[in-house]
Amino acid sequence: QKEVEQNSGPLSVPEGAIASLNCTYSDRGSQSFFWYRQYSGKSPELIMSIYSNGDKEDGRFTAQLNKASQYVSLLIRDSQPSDSATYLCAANSGGSNYKLTFGKGTLLTVNP
Amino acid sequence: DGGITQSPKYLFRKEGQNVTLSCEQNLNHDAMYWYRQDPGQGLRLIYYSQIVNDFQKGDIAEGYSVSREKKESFPLTVTSAQKNPTAFYLCASSFWAFGQGVNTEAFFGQGTRLTVV
Repeated sequence: QKEVEQNSGPLSVPEGAIASLNCTYSDRGSQSFFWYRQYSGKSPELIMSIYSNGDKEDGRFTAQLNKASQYVSLLIRDSQPSDSATYLCAANSGGSNYKLTFGKGTLLTVNP
Repeated sequence: DGGITQSPKYLFRKEGQNVTLSCEQNLNHDAMYWYRQDPGQGLRLIYYSQIVNDFQKGDIAEGYSVSREKKESFPLTVTSAQKNPTAFYLCASSFWAFGQGVNTEAFFGQGTRLTVV
């Protein structure tokens, strides 16, 4: 079974610090990778998508993809209390399979 | 406004009842997905569909059924065979780049909370 694994939380960082979230995936054919943020009781909202090896930056967020290591990460710079949420990593299955699988999520708490 | 609409927001089911959760999107997306989320857990895939009249079982399809008669709609029925249906149900949709093996970003509806009473 194709899986997406996230580092176990919870993760706690002080305000202004860098939060680092990690994810590995098992399907070498995966081509699409996403990070979502989910506040308690709400539906997930997309933060970043990444399709190519390397870094992709959007404001305070940077996604990193290493297909050789089957590894995806999300860095949050200058963390704010409003960033406190569960972060979900997702990957599609490769080839013609458009199945989109999520990890179990990492709970991030940013302390003022 | 474009988006994904799930209804109802809250749903109560009696033992032995079938219930249907609605999901409609006006984003012209090809692929649609149903996920289940239990407290403190990630999203588990129930069913997914790429085109009209075609859908695939996900990781936890037992006790659920779906249809895809229109591109915009992907309703989920929770049958009486699902013994533990209390959960948060999420519908999502995305474009699918045929031949490239690439999903574009998936967007979610607001979810339906199902409770067995």
